Amino acid sequence: DTAVSQTPKYLVTQMGNDKSIKCEQNLGHDTMYWYKQDSKKFLKIMFSYNNKELIINETVPNRFSPKSPDKAHLNLHINSLELGDSAVYFCASSPASSYNSPLHFGNGTRLTVT
Amino acid sequence: GDSVTQMEGPVTLSEEAFLTINCTYTATGYPSLFWYVQYPGEGLQLLLKATKADDKGSNKGFEATYRKETTSFHLEKGSVQVSDSAVYFCALMDTGRRALTFGSGTRLQVQP
Repeated sequence: DTAVSQTPKYLVTQMGNDKSIKCEQNLGHDTMYWYKQDSKKFLKIMFSYNNKELIINETVPNRFSPKSPDKAHLNLHINSLELGDSAVYFCASSPASSYNSPLHFGNGTRLTVT
Repeated sequence: GDSVTQMEGPVTLSEEAFLTINCTYTATGYPSLFWYVQYPGEGLQLLLKATKADDKGSNKGFEATYRKETTSFHLEKGSVQVSDSAVYFCALMDTGRRALTFGSGTRLQVQP
C-alpha cells in the first residue's frame, strides 16, 4: 500500500564506491523528484522528472545521475561517493495536472559514506 | 529566486501550550504555501496547504493563513500534545516551477 517507496532505507559505503537508490510510486503521478536533506535538516531539490523527461536539474555534481525508466520509477545513481554525500535522500511524486498539488514523500534513504 | 524563512528552533513547550511557528516567504509569482511535518525517522507528511491569499489551511488542530500583504504563513495550534513533537517545514511552490522550496525546518519539542 506504500505510496512512495524507496530502497534501501539505510546505505553505508566507503568513499569512491558507486551506489544506487531506487524509488517507485503507485499513485499514478507524472512527476517525481529527488531531494537531499543534510545534517541540519535542510531540504534541497536535486532533480525532477515529468513523465520520464528531466525538467529540473539543480546545481548537483555530475557524479549524481537520475534515471527514469518509466513514470512510476526514478532511480538515483551516485558515482565516486564522497564524505559530503552523506545525507538523507528523499524521493517524492506529484500529479502534473496542477502546480499547487502537494508532493508525496517516501521515507528516505540514509546514506553514510565512510 | 524563491526563498522561505522559518524561525530557528528548537521550540520547547509544555503540553497544552499555544504554538506559533513563524514563516515568511519571497516569491516571484503567486505561490501555493504548505506546511509539512517530519516525525523522527520518517519522511515528510503534508500537514496543510493554502493556494491563494487569505486562504486558511487547517488539519489536526493546526492552522495557517496565507497573508500576501506580509508574505507570511505562520503555523498555529491552540493546545499542543507530546505527540506533536517533530520537525515542521514551511514550503512554497511557485507558478511555473513545479517543485517545493523549503524553509530550514523548526524542531518542536513538547514536554509532558
